[in-house]
Amino acid sequence: DQQVKQNSPSLSVQEGRISILNCDYTNSMFDYFLWYKKYPAEGPTFLISISSIKDKNEDGRFTVFLNKSAKHLSLHIVPSQPGDSAVYFCAASALSNFGNEKLTFGTGTRLTIIP
Amino acid sequence: DSGVTQTPKHLITATGQRVTLRCSPRSGDLSVYWYQQSLDQGLQFLIQYYNGEERAKGNILERFSAQQFPDLHSELNLSSLELGDSALYFCASSVAPGNSPLHFGNGTRLTVT
Repeated sequence: DQQVKQNSPSLSVQEGRISILNCDYTNSMFDYFLWYKKYPAEGPTFLISISSIKDKNEDGRFTVFLNKSAKHLSLHIVPSQPGDSAVYFCAASALSNFGNEKLTFGTGTRLTIIP
Repeated sequence: DSGVTQTPKHLITATGQRVTLRCSPRSGDLSVYWYQQSLDQGLQFLIQYYNGEERAKGNILERFSAQQFPDLHSELNLSSLELGDSALYFCASSVAPGNSPLHFGNGTRLTVT
């Protein structure tokens, strides 16, 4: 049962353009969402998070949008740079449910930025 | 550098054997998590410890066990290994359970032959 889904295994974007990565979830108990970036031979690196009380969080070139009614979140990267080429994982947890701080991950989207 | 150290980086062993993976969390972090990533899969949660106590369990096989020691480092023990156990095993740590991001180590790649 895949509770966090990233339906696009890969995405290619021209340098300087906007990259939009999507994530859907099914568990209505999830109330904290994160995006991680992973380079080959390294562990995932935290990028940005959002709590369910917000619908947008911005950090530099990265913005995460949350649509609770649609159970959908997206990560926007503007402008895209070659160093952004990596695998991006969406993750979620149910913080309000005591003992459920563990993160549930999607299967990842491989982003390639074309120079 | 996340500050989370995992050893060894690579491990090759035969079916039926037992291995131990080690993790040192970031300085000050009390919570440790173990995740498994099989080929082309997302990270699957195995188990979480907080300050030496088991806090949450995921789909961890009975052949697998873990513990967190008083110095807060953690070990994941995998026994009676099968070919399907070949995967990347990640350790992550956070200051405390809750609203803080997990910081991941670079993983241990286990190959069972």
